[in-house]
Amino acid sequence: QPVLTQPPSSSASPGESARLTCTLPSDINVGSYNIYWYQQKPGSPPRYLLYYYSDSDKGQGSGVPSRFSGSKDASANTGILLISGLQSEDEADYYCMIWPSNASGVFGGGTKLTVL
Amino acid sequence: QVQLQESGPGLVKPSQTLSLTCTVSGGSISSGGYYWSWIRQHPGKGLEWIGYIYYSGSTYYNPSLKSRVTISVDTSKNQFSLKLSSVTAADTAVYYCARGTRLVGGYYFDYWGQGTLVTVSS
Repeated sequence: QPVLTQPPSSSASPGESARLTCTLPSDINVGSYNIYWYQQKPGSPPRYLLYYYSDSDKGQGSGVPSRFSGSKDASANTGILLISGLQSEDEADYYCMIWPSNASGVFGGGTKLTVL
Repeated sequence: QVQLQESGPGLVKPSQTLSLTCTVSGGSISSGGYYWSWIRQHPGKGLEWIGYIYYSGSTYYNPSLKSRVTISVDTSKNQFSLKLSSVTAADTAVYYCARGTRLVGGYYFDYWGQGTLVTVSS
């Protein structure tokens, strides 16, 4: 099972943007996979945010604001969740996920986002 | 609105089998199109996908748990279940059931249960 690396923590101020990363191992090309993103607040189950494959192949979860968006950095083999116009309610844990074999899913370790 | 609710013992003894059931309301498992899943979260830790089942009974499991996991479905009750055998303290976690929707290149989980904490202890 591949390991998806997410920074344990990140912080940003209200109104700013937060860029959360999910780095794939070198033997898995980020360009070949959908990156799925979930948000989890304390005491609640995760919430599906979006998936990103490319600018022409992406999808937003139901009711998820457009200020949540996905992208990739191929040079860093990384998936990115960008949250613009940060709000205090965005403070949460964020998890990425891929399906490397199309039948077995792997989550990243999660990033705790603090809105200062 | 689809709702999922986990149920089962909150305490399981080591070496025994953990058994949980997820009851689905607001939608029928047998209508197809979705992959009914189990995911767990160790206390204070990240998420781990356990496996899923399709209404037809087809299953897919996390390779790291495959030897101990069985997921089954009862369409007449609109439920699906998880059995995890030979549990140890390392299986202590919050267990979530979720509905998976398939895309080209994976699945996303759009509806989740609230989760149930299962503690493995004698």
